[in-house]
Amino acid sequence: DGGITQSPKYLFRKEGQNVTLSCEQNLNHDAMYWYRQDPGQGLRLIYYSQIVNDFQKGDIAEGYSVSREKKESFPLTVTSAQKNPTAFYLCASSVWGQGHSPLHFGNGTRLTVT
Amino acid sequence: AQTVTQSQPEMSVQEAETVTLSCTYDTSESDYYLFWYKQPPSRQMILVIRQEAYKQQNATENRFSVNFQKAAKSFSLKISDSQLGDAAMYFCSLGGNTPLVFGKGTRLSVIA
Repeated sequence: DGGITQSPKYLFRKEGQNVTLSCEQNLNHDAMYWYRQDPGQGLRLIYYSQIVNDFQKGDIAEGYSVSREKKESFPLTVTSAQKNPTAFYLCASSVWGQGHSPLHFGNGTRLTVT
Repeated sequence: AQTVTQSQPEMSVQEAETVTLSCTYDTSESDYYLFWYKQPPSRQMILVIRQEAYKQQNATENRFSVNFQKAAKSFSLKISDSQLGDAAMYFCSLGGNTPLVFGKGTRLSVIA
């Protein structure tokens, strides 16, 4: 079955360490996205990519980095520069970029930094 | 900039009754799309319903329907015959020439 796989489900890191969250999709979608979810804040866009080897910053990109070397993969690195990294991270994909097609979401990764 | 506002942080409904979740939005684009997503306790985001702004007819999906008021920039979700499995966070979202923007969500409780 086609879908989006995020791993791991739970991730724990010490403050000051970089950490990479994995996101893989086999839906053959062109666009991929990373959202951050905090209690009472809804979903906020971190980065998105409409095509391989290209990506754009979202509303809260500071302290994060991404790469899009393959169509299927869009890993997110949370760097030590991110001031409050503990959150639930959701990866998504869509047939086309921008906001004309619905998003398909992964199951999310809960990151805890202490 | 596109914005989405959900003014009801929490709602509750009796099983088998009807409930309406509110959403207002703002955009300067003429071609845009509106969505409602459901997030149950598993935290998996599930698309509930989609509305194209150019369509006047309100979208429906089984027990879920929307009241799309374009001039008022309002996009409410009506859930009929509420079931225990409808208990979840519901997010309204808006998409156009930029990726989807989400509201802060409404937590719906269903009372047996």
